[in-house]
Amino acid sequence: QKEVEQNSGPLSVPEGAIASLNCTYSDRGSQSFFWYRQYSGKSPELIMSIYSNGDKEDGRFTAQLNKASQYVSLLIRDSQPSDSATYLCAVSRGSAGNMLTFGGGTRLMVKP
Amino acid sequence: DGGITQSPKYLFRKEGQNVTLSCEQNLNHDAMYWYRQDPGQGLRLIYYSQIVNDFQKGDIAEGYSVSREKKESFPLTVTSAQKNPTAFYLCASSSGQGTYGYTFGSGTRLTVV
Repeated sequence: QKEVEQNSGPLSVPEGAIASLNCTYSDRGSQSFFWYRQYSGKSPELIMSIYSNGDKEDGRFTAQLNKASQYVSLLIRDSQPSDSATYLCAVSRGSAGNMLTFGGGTRLMVKP
Repeated sequence: DGGITQSPKYLFRKEGQNVTLSCEQNLNHDAMYWYRQDPGQGLRLIYYSQIVNDFQKGDIAEGYSVSREKKESFPLTVTSAQKNPTAFYLCASSSGQGTYGYTFGSGTRLTVV
């Protein structure tokens, strides 16, 4: 079992729809959770962080965390073609809080 | 502006040659990391350093070496022992507290010719 799992996609949604990206992790000691966006050929950029159970909203983005189920998700409302990218889920390692383990990423395609 | 600078952007390596990738940060971050990304894949940790003059192997350290003589700099050498070095290499840094995630450089794309 991979430590951080994501569906590789592609996830295809129409413009204006809600895109839902999911991530599961295996380390119960993990405390910090991040979503990065990576455009093709570019480096990842941090778009959301979440540390406690529940929802965290920032503009069109909402991160959701459920530690009991070891599940993190990212919702993108009113999806735009510019949101088309690979989204990486990153989870802190319980044994070393400032170390992150990355999932393989989900490729999102937003069609006009 | 604070950030991480990686150079060169593109690098070509001949068989049997060692090459060094540069990573410099002016964020005053304690921790620095090197990741490798293969096409369509996630990030795999090569080496990391939590403090100057100390570094640890990551998950795929074989064929790579690093140094951390200055807080700002964490160069990565890809040695001839690395048999499949063609990949996108990413350097990252963090404050060391883990709360704020990583800041990434723009990456170096290494190709074996």
